[in-house]
Amino acid sequence: QVQLVQSGAEVKKPGASVKVSCKASGYTFTGNFIHWVRQAPGQGLEWMGRINPNSGGTNSAQDFRGRVTVTSDTSITTAYMELRSLTSDDTAMYYCISGLGLRDEAGFHYWGQGTLVTVSS
Amino acid sequence: QSVLTQPPSVSGAPGQRVTLSCTGSDSNIGAGYDVHWYQQFPGTAPKLLIYDNNHRPSGVPDRFSGSKSGTSASLAITGLQAGDEADYYCQSFDGSLSNSVFGGGTKLTVL
Repeated sequence: QVQLVQSGAEVKKPGASVKVSCKASGYTFTGNFIHWVRQAPGQGLEWMGRINPNSGGTNSAQDFRGRVTVTSDTSITTAYMELRSLTSDDTAMYYCISGLGLRDEAGFHYWGQGTLVTVSS
Repeated sequence: QSVLTQPPSVSGAPGQRVTLSCTGSDSNIGAGYDVHWYQQFPGTAPKLLIYDNNHRPSGVPDRFSGSKSGTSASLAITGLQAGDEADYYCQSFDGSLSNSVFGGGTKLTVL
């Protein structure tokens, strides 16, 4: 079965960077986009960006451009999301997600368990 | 401000039918992009409930159904149960932004 296992919770100081990993199994890693979505406490879902593990091509939301980098390592079927210049507004649960196929319009079928990132001085 | 608009809350009595709406624009739902729906219980990751407007993943009861028309989409839940109390999010793709976009979410309360 498809599994996405994310790295553990992080506590960072303002101005620092965080890198979250997402280990995929149970499907052909290069066959599906990996997306990153975050959810601040008590708030809704916010799409951050995605990577095509087959080509390495990425796309990110305007709000995060210049601050987020999404990468993948096909040899270990793992995706990464790095967010820089953290502020308290970046305190949130971060989810990695596998879609179905290599389509931006596809639904988000498989979700990781989430990684809580807390930004505090 | 979310690109897709959902009512903040909806309620219904057990056994009733409720409809959750999701309103977009000509650059997302109205442009023909598929709509997907997610169910989220407190403290857990969202789960795909409906994909490609009206398809249910394996294991989702047929009490849940989706539809799309013009720039809007709807999620219908029939035979409402206490266990359906959760947050529901719609999601689509926006061609102008070249982004996936979400609605702000609807909290469903079972009275």
